[in-house]
Amino acid sequence: DAKTTQPPSMDCAEGRAANLPCNHSTISGNEYVYWYRQIHSQGPQYIIHGLKNNETNEMASLIITEDRKSSTLILPHATLRDTAVYYCIVRPNFGNEKLTFGTGTRLTIIP
Amino acid sequence: DTAVSQTPKYLVTQMGNDKSIKCEQNLGHDTMYWYKQDSKKFLKIMFSYNNKELIINETVPNRFSPKSPDKAHLNLHINSLELGDSAVYFCASSQRDPGEETQYFGPGTRLLVL
Repeated sequence: DAKTTQPPSMDCAEGRAANLPCNHSTISGNEYVYWYRQIHSQGPQYIIHGLKNNETNEMASLIITEDRKSSTLILPHATLRDTAVYYCIVRPNFGNEKLTFGTGTRLTIIP
Repeated sequence: DTAVSQTPKYLVTQMGNDKSIKCEQNLGHDTMYWYKQDSKKFLKIMFSYNNKELIINETVPNRFSPKSPDKAHLNLHINSLELGDSAVYFCASSQRDPGEETQYFGPGTRLLVL
């Protein structure tokens, strides 16, 4: 699996957009970008994933650069409940592959 | 309804004991996983089962033995518990679908070995 690089921590004001970057410069053509988060003491929670195109769901948006070497997770209106560790993971597009978690970004939403 | 459930939520035991952690998913998925999160918060895959068959075994000591009686259950039995086994163990499940596979995690079992 390609390695990812994320900033160790970020702060964001409540109600503002939180933009979490991820570098995955060694990503290969068949690897997807996945984002999960882990709120304190809970199991990881799926957020969003994508291959080449930008994606949006009810939780977040995922912006992937044209060369696919980096991506940004956007939480459009951050709330205190979004405080968590966010993990950017790349994995092949064939099934049942493990998720390789890095150290993630600890996002703190400030009131 | 809880999609992926684990029992017990907390487990405190003595070194050398044998213990089991149970996991059940009601999502109809065909693949289940065990992950371990240590005190430094690193989350690592341990095992994966697809349709009751072992497909991933990540160099885990053979004191750890997963058992999948059916597709909805994946239990983890640990023999001769050691201090270093203290961690949070997460079960997860997914449906085999290349490229579109999302894993759903349970709430975790916090194991403390004294």
